[in-house]
Amino acid sequence: QKEVEQNSGPLSVPEGAIASLNCTYSDRGSQSFFWYRQYSGKSPELIMSIYSNGDKEDGRFTAQLNKASQYVSLLIRDSQPSDSATYLCAVIGGYSTLTFGKGTMLLVSP
Amino acid sequence: GAVVSQHPSRVICKSGTSVKIECRSLDFQATTMFWYRQFPKQSLMLMATSNEGSKATYEQGVEKDKFLINHASLTLSTLTVTSAHPEDSSFYICSARDQVRREETQYFGPGTRLLVL
Repeated sequence: QKEVEQNSGPLSVPEGAIASLNCTYSDRGSQSFFWYRQYSGKSPELIMSIYSNGDKEDGRFTAQLNKASQYVSLLIRDSQPSDSATYLCAVIGGYSTLTFGKGTMLLVSP
Repeated sequence: GAVVSQHPSRVICKSGTSVKIECRSLDFQATTMFWYRQFPKQSLMLMATSNEGSKATYEQGVEKDKFLINHASLTLSTLTVTSAHPEDSSFYICSARDQVRREETQYFGPGTRLLVL
């Protein structure tokens, strides 16, 4: 059973702080990794994809991948109340299907 | 780019009726689309992979005769929930991959909220 694990949270951070979201996965053969944001009652929207070990930055978001440790994270700098949402980690494994974690709820307080 | 639409956005139906949900890729071609279901406070669960011009591939535990999928063109897949029951009430979301760009990224539609009375 391929699994993607996330802490359900909520993770609470003050406005302007750095939010750190973590994810581990079980399928060592996974090659593609994604972070989606899902607001309550809405469908997921893509934030970032990452395929290689290391960091990938896009604006206030940085994704980090460590395949040896089977770990992927998302850092959100200068967190804003509008960043409050559930963040879903998703992994594509050997059969090209996307497996989602249960998501981490982020709450950014003004 | 990479916009996916779904219709309807919300539907309420009586138990025993059938409901059709459409998923369209608006600005790209998608030979493969995916159907997910999400119950409250749960993660997305893949129901089936929809392949243009061929039969859908269903995940274990998903009844193919109850959830009919048709992918008749490169931009349209439909999911029909047949003889719907209250336990089928859920948030149904489709996604699509951009076949021309050969990306693995899946772009999601806005979802369809189904309530079966």
